[in-house]
Amino acid sequence: DADVTQTPRNRITKTGKRIMLECSQTKGHDRMYWYRQDPGLGLRLIYYSFDVKDINKGEISDGYSVSRQAQAKFSLSLESAIPNQTALYFCATSDLGLAGDYNEQFFGPGTRLTVL
Amino acid sequence: GDSVTQMEGPVTLSEEAFLTINCTYTATGYPSLFWYVQYPGEGLQLLLKATKADDKGSNKGFEATYRKETTSFHLEKGSVQVSDSAVYFCALSGLGADKLIFGTGTRLQVFP
Repeated sequence: DADVTQTPRNRITKTGKRIMLECSQTKGHDRMYWYRQDPGLGLRLIYYSFDVKDINKGEISDGYSVSRQAQAKFSLSLESAIPNQTALYFCATSDLGLAGDYNEQFFGPGTRLTVL
Repeated sequence: GDSVTQMEGPVTLSEEAFLTINCTYTATGYPSLFWYVQYPGEGLQLLLKATKADDKGSNKGFEATYRKETTSFHLEKGSVQVSDSAVYFCALSGLGADKLIFGTGTRLQVFP
């Protein structure tokens, strides 16, 4: 079974609809992240969380909200979807390295969202 | 702020050709540097990393050396295969090691 799972894998919705993307992990990591990927722009960070009580905005948080329901679950919501939120969305997890430095991130398979 | 610049793609090569994908960075302090790879239809996965100057990261025949003097972390492979076709992302860990900053990605296409 995959360590980081995302649901749904594909979603088509209409402008103005509320959408929730879910992420679950079995790696036991405290840190979780949401990114969006757009052609030519790479990955941009939307929100990140270092534990259940910690939520931080990334570089493009406007129009999005998140919920960390448990260590293993981190959901991304679009309260009122708009067409320029059409993108590929990735969840990732990580933990600190033994020396307190940065450790690699593990990515889910992505959710392709289309807003019409 | 911190940033990563990668060469634009696509990079198109024949099988067994030599690969270089350029990556330069701007950062405060001494970040860790990473190359991630994204195969078609999948999420990103770590390819290699280097945590201090002059370190060389290597994996699956790919190599990259952390060059502080030129603020670069170029990815190289001596002989590419069709199965190496993917998008490659250079990234650095920001000050405080709390998140990654990614480049825009470089698509590699290898033909038989």
